[in-house]
Amino acid sequence: DSGVTQTPKHLITATGQRVTLRCSPRSGDLSVYWYQQSLDQGLQFLIQYYNGEERAKGNILERFSAQQFPDLHSELNLSSLELGDSALYFCASSVGEAGGSEQFFGPGTRLTVL
Amino acid sequence: GQSLEQPSEVTAVEGAIVQINCTYQTSGFYGLSWYQQHDGGAPTFLSYNALDGLEETGRFSSFLSRSDSYGYLLLQELQMKDSASYFCAVSSPRGSARQLTFGSGTQLTVLP
Repeated sequence: DSGVTQTPKHLITATGQRVTLRCSPRSGDLSVYWYQQSLDQGLQFLIQYYNGEERAKGNILERFSAQQFPDLHSELNLSSLELGDSALYFCASSVGEAGGSEQFFGPGTRLTVL
Repeated sequence: GQSLEQPSEVTAVEGAIVQINCTYQTSGFYGLSWYQQHDGGAPTFLSYNALDGLEETGRFSSFLSRSDSYGYLLLQELQMKDSASYFCAVSSPRGSARQLTFGSGTQLTVLP
């Protein structure tokens, strides 16, 4: 158990819908990262927040947005969903704002878009 | 941009030694990490090399050569539970921050 929690575990929805994925980092970690992992693919970096501020943006679609709240939990919003958005979405956290070295990953949210 | 190459699959028998290579191209480099991921599970951190050389952690070792843009993960005394995907990841600058770029992963199958 990494100490990072993600809800929900599974999400099934239809094309065109909007969903929100939630992540709570490990106690004491200020950075939160979001990744997308499609079938048999590596992890694609989406976005990073540090202490409430956006720090780095990866290959995040304009239909996707995220934020980190004062209590440091983060939410990833996915809208106008398409079939291709079906994937595992992981949240990770780390102590500092550096995106290197060790990140602790949550169990993921499996999103299925029908 | 960043790109990483690692073999897609490796098979070995229990008790053997296996090496998973990773070559990378990146603009800016802080270090190379390795993560293990069992089917459908969360990636877990294995090692991080910022400097050239070998880092050993139990049965796992990781090597980096910055001049060759190359690293490898060495797994010794393989066990069935080592069957998993292994990802190398490069830490590089992104604006004023750092980001991790992952390779596509190597599926390791350990046979009895």
